[in-house]
Amino acid sequence: DQQVKQNSPSLSVQEGRISILNCDYTNSMFDYFLWYKKYPAEGPTFLISISSIKDKNEDGRFTVFLNKSAKHLSLHIVPSQPGDSAVYFCAASDGGGTSYGKLTFGQGTILTVHP
Amino acid sequence: GAVVSQHPSRVICKSGTSVKIECRSLDFQATTMFWYRQFPKQSLMLMATSNEGSKATYEQGVEKDKFLINHASLTLSTLTVTSAHPEDSSFYICSGTRGDTQYFGPGTRLTVL
Repeated sequence: DQQVKQNSPSLSVQEGRISILNCDYTNSMFDYFLWYKKYPAEGPTFLISISSIKDKNEDGRFTVFLNKSAKHLSLHIVPSQPGDSAVYFCAASDGGGTSYGKLTFGQGTILTVHP
Repeated sequence: GAVVSQHPSRVICKSGTSVKIECRSLDFQATTMFWYRQFPKQSLMLMATSNEGSKATYEQGVEKDKFLINHASLTLSTLTVTSAHPEDSSFYICSGTRGDTQYFGPGTRLTVL
């Protein structure tokens, strides 16, 4: 039972354009969401997070949007840069508004940003 | 962000041997650490939650006698894969929580021949 789903295995974007990565979840107990960036043979690097009490969180080029009613979140990267090319994982936690609870990961989306 | 290290980064062992992987939080104390496993082209799957000074909590389907976890201090958790077999070959990643965020180690690639 995949509780966190990233339905797009890959995304290709031109440099300077917006990258939009999507994530859906089914467990209504999830109350904290995170996005991680990962390179092969390395651990995930934290990018940005959002609590379920918010619908948007912005940090530089990265913005995460949360639609609780649709159980959907998205990560926007603008402008996209070639160095953003990596695998992006969304993760969800039921840890009471923090990531103290265990994380459930999506399958990941491979983002490729072309120069 | 917080720094988590893992050692070794890569290990190759023979079937039937045991392998210990260390996870350290370098600049923060982690009461709780998590161990994940990632098979090729798959997502990270939580194996167990490691609590300092108490027994680990294992996810369903993870054998606690095969994957021994010790969290002896607030900065160190170890995962020992006992009597490793080729199907245990995987990428093992630990994480520690600082504030509201889990920070991950760089991972350990285990190959069992």
